Order: sequence, then C-alpha cells, then structure tokens
Amino acid sequence: EAGVTQFPSHSVIEKGQTVTLRCDPISGHDNLYWYRRVMGKEIKFLLHFVKESKQDESGMPNNRFLAERTGGTYSTLKVQPAELEDSGVYFCASRPSGTGNSPLHFGNGTRLTVT
Amino acid sequence: GQNIDQPTEMTATEGAIVQINCTYQTSGFNGLFWYQQHAGEAPTFLSYNVLDGLEEKGRFSSFLSRSKGYSYLLLKELQMKDSASYLCAVRDRTGANNLFFGTGTRLTVIP
Repeated sequence: EAGVTQFPSHSVIEKGQTVTLRCDPISGHDNLYWYRRVMGKEIKFLLHFVKESKQDESGMPNNRFLAERTGGTYSTLKVQPAELEDSGVYFCASRPSGTGNSPLHFGNGTRLTVT
Repeated sequence: GQNIDQPTEMTATEGAIVQINCTYQTSGFNGLFWYQQHAGEAPTFLSYNVLDGLEEKGRFSSFLSRSKGYSYLLLKELQMKDSASYLCAVRDRTGANNLFFGTGTRLTVIP
C-alpha cells in the first residue's frame, strides 16, 4: 500500500506570506494527525482529524494555522501569515479506526523555512 | 501534562548491543511506542508496549515498567544502518489518546 505522502517536501517563504501544506494519508485511514518539530525540540502534536471532523486541535499554536480535511481524504494545513517561529518540519500521520492501539504511519514531512 | 526524557546522543560499535532508555511521567498512560527516524525521512514504527515486560522483535526488543515510568529499547548486533534517531512516544488517554514524543536519541554506530 502507498504510504502517507506530504507535499511539498521543502518550502522557503518570507515572513508574512502564506503557505499550504498537503497530506495524503494511507487510503482508508480515518485518523489523520498533524505534528511539528521545531529545531532541537520534540515532535509536538498539532491536531487530529477523524474523517472530516476535527477531534482535537488543542496543539494548534494560534489562529494563523488552519487545517482542513474536506471529504475526509487528504488534509491541508495553511499558515497565514507565516512568522519566523513557524519554521520546522511538519509531519502528517494516519492510522485506521477500530484497531485499538495501532501505530501511527508518518509521512516524510514538509520542511518549512520562514525567512 | 506529559514529560518524556531520553538521552540526546549515544555512540556504539558495530556488532555490539545498545540500550536506549526512556522515562516518562503522564497522567493517563495508554501505551508506549518506539520509532526510528533516519535524517530527512519519516519516523517508522519499531515497537509497542502497554503491559509490563519485554517485547522482542528480531534484533530489537523493548521493555516497559509502568510502575517506574520507564522503558528501554535494546538493539542487538548493531549494524551501520542502525545509525538514526530513536523516538520514545507515550499515548495519553487524558490527552485524547494522542502521542507525545521525547526529543529523540541520536544513535551513531561506528565501525
């Protein structure tokens, strides 16, 4: 099966600009997660979708971040306007429902650099 | 909240055994995962423990003690390709069963 795919792999933007990250989960996985790793820190949870619904968005840093999952398939994470501290690697992960403690399957991440 | 600690870096010799420790504090423990991450790649699942004891999977084993808030990942017969970051992650049911990660241990395997 195809894994979790993320696009783009790298993005360099200027402060104040907008960037949209995309994640395609493994087909059939209802649960989709966004995580972020800032340089030198741990991978931190941002939010969790179950199908198209936001189950938990307690990790979203502020209202400059907007995540969507229309139709319950792929998801986008928009940062608008971007700030310097938003630089980091954004990971998407998915797992199926109804499988107890199944592990998350991660994408390769999008490395975002805000200059 | 969650607090997960693991060493930042370790070095070991090819063919040897290495143990990577992880301690955690969490209010609603619901499982511990180990992931391997090579630079620029996705974290990949290695092991899962929810009950006390040792889980063995080939050259990799993982141990859990819930009463001590402690886990370790044991890598045997180290190979050069095992050089990577190893991430300890805890699932917390008070955190909506989401995963909370440590900062990772960067393992370097030398000849």
